[in-house]
Amino acid sequence: QQQVKQSPQSLIVQKGGISIINCAYENTAFDYFPWYQQFPGKGPALLIAIRPDVSEKKEGRFTISFNKSAKQFSLHIMDSQPGDSATYFCAAEIFNSGYALNFGKGTSLLVTP
Amino acid sequence: EPEVTQTPSHQVTQMGQEVILRCVPISNHLYFYWYRQILGQKVEFLVSFYNNEISEKSEIFDDQFSVERPDGSNFTLKIRSTKLEDSAMYFCASTPGFGTANTEAFFGQGTRLTVV
Repeated sequence: QQQVKQSPQSLIVQKGGISIINCAYENTAFDYFPWYQQFPGKGPALLIAIRPDVSEKKEGRFTISFNKSAKQFSLHIMDSQPGDSATYFCAAEIFNSGYALNFGKGTSLLVTP
Repeated sequence: EPEVTQTPSHQVTQMGQEVILRCVPISNHLYFYWYRQILGQKVEFLVSFYNNEISEKSEIFDDQFSVERPDGSNFTLKIRSTKLEDSAMYFCASTPGFGTANTEAFFGQGTRLTVV
């Protein structure tokens, strides 16, 4: 059972454009939704995270939009840069319970110059 | 900045052999995890460990896998009899635990396990 569904699988965006990655979850017990960024040969690193008491969270060029009723959340990367080229994983967890992160399948983002 | 460290970075082993992957979590963290990532696929949860015992495990974590915290710093994953399909990148992670505002999971650089 795939608890977190992520799309698209890959994305090509021109420098300066907006990258949008979408995720949907099934388990209504999830209440913590992080996005991880992974560069080749490295471990995933937390980029930004949101809890369902807010509908949007912004940190610099990165914004999470959250729709609790639709059980969907998305990552927007504004003014995308070549250095943003990486694989992005959404995840879901029961907050602060020590439970496992349930990852989406990942989106490979390529930002072209 | 504190980090999770994993050794070795790459391990090649013959099918049927036992391997031990090692991790040093961040020192004041309470929860420890192992995840794996088969090449080109998503990161999959294997097991979580808290207070010297397994708190949760996935169906991937069968009897050939075991975890241990042999001392105050190391956290190990043992695969008793490796199979070709165990070839993957194995990530260790740790989180602060209960009572903290930050539940961020910090991942190590990973150990690439190749079973031949």
